[in-house]
Amino acid sequence: GQNIDQPTEMTATEGAIVQINCTYQTSGFNGLFWYQQHAGEAPTFLSYNVLDGLEEKGRFSSFLSRSKGYSYLLLKELQMKDSASYLCAVSYGNNRLAFGKGNQVVVIP
Amino acid sequence: EAEVAQSPRYKITEKSQAVAFWCDPISGHATLYWYRQILGQGPELLVQFQDESVVDDSQLPKDRFSAERLKGVDSTLKIQPAELGDSAMYLCASSLVGVYEQYFGPGTRLTVT
Repeated sequence: GQNIDQPTEMTATEGAIVQINCTYQTSGFNGLFWYQQHAGEAPTFLSYNVLDGLEEKGRFSSFLSRSKGYSYLLLKELQMKDSASYLCAVSYGNNRLAFGKGNQVVVIP
Repeated sequence: EAEVAQSPRYKITEKSQAVAFWCDPISGHATLYWYRQILGQGPELLVQFQDESVVDDSQLPKDRFSAERLKGVDSTLKIQPAELGDSAMYLCASSLVGVYEQYFGPGTRLTVT
């Protein structure tokens, strides 16, 4: 089975940096995805890591350590529109995704 | 920009009734997924298709849920009979074959009363 663990909620100030952690235990690991989900909306793709290391994409960066079963998403220069749930998802088998429960980020002025 | 279409967006039904959801994936995406998402949780895979074939339905409650993708394009998910515990968001996603990002539709919010 797949086991993905994320913290449930965090609050941060506009302009700050937040790091959202994800630990996982899985078999048949293909890679790790991060999705953003605003309340009542569908998840949207943020990043994909298949190799160890840091992937940077604008204000968002994602890191993967396969040996530790660990990933994090880094959000820089927080904006109010970044208030959302951030979902860590492990790809295994035939591109099946197992999602964590999501980390709710609340950005305050 | 191509999008995954789903209908209806909202559905209220009484328990023991039948309900159906429709999904039209992005053109050219052979793989289609149905997920269920309960409030405060991540999406849970119900069924995965590649073209018209079911690849994985191990988490689909087959006594009441069914899914089909007859021509390998659009898909229908059915619940009969609906139960109170089925109240959730039902998300459809599609992707290219292989390990690629999945594109999600807007979802159907089901409320069973």
